[in-house]
Amino acid sequence: GAGVSQTPSNKVTEKGKYVELRCDPISGHTALYWYRQSLGQGPEFLIYFQGTGAADDSGLPNDRFFAVRPEGSVSTLKIQRTERGDSAVYLCASSLVRDSPLHFGNGTRLTVT
Amino acid sequence: TQLLEQSPQFLSIQEGENLTVYCNSSSVFSSLQWYRQEPGEGPVLLVTVVTGGEVKKLKRLTFQFGDARKDSSLHITAAQPGDTGLYLCAGPRSNDYKLSFGAGTTVTVRA
Repeated sequence: GAGVSQTPSNKVTEKGKYVELRCDPISGHTALYWYRQSLGQGPEFLIYFQGTGAADDSGLPNDRFFAVRPEGSVSTLKIQRTERGDSAVYLCASSLVRDSPLHFGNGTRLTVT
Repeated sequence: TQLLEQSPQFLSIQEGENLTVYCNSSSVFSSLQWYRQEPGEGPVLLVTVVTGGEVKKLKRLTFQFGDARKDSSLHITAAQPGDTGLYLCAGPRSNDYKLSFGAGTTVTVRA
């Protein structure tokens, strides 16, 4: 796999449920980012990982959102008690190091009904 | 409020025509990036401009960074249907590394 892989590509869930979104970055990329893109908007920063640690989680909207990257590769974005306003495309990107060009995955389209 | 304002929001042109899209801010950016995003896919980096006044060309696409590093433009010559997509500009704010994105310009090139 040459690119960033995100699964699932689509997720429909009911309000109040818990969801997990997975990102598999390009091998060897140490930096990993999560962005959220609402309809008609550009991506908005959520969280940045350098290796295993969350170096910057200032974009997470509230404490229902949490992300992990336990082994410095795959990352999971977790959303508790989903709300209809959480509906968006969640994009993952990786880069070789922090200031290197970003490579985006195709995103997970989350719909909360 | 978007840090980067893109205009127009939508643009529909005939194949062979030229087009220009704009990215403006009241803030200074150390660099600006342009991405193209197609439906169901993630943004793909086209170019990064770093120096005020810089002009970069990528085949039929010409990118310009304003002298004051607050604005940028993308000009496409003789547009083709394959140029259809959402064009996003993005840049790191001063003393920050995180990219701020504009809302994008949706370009449709009709055959």
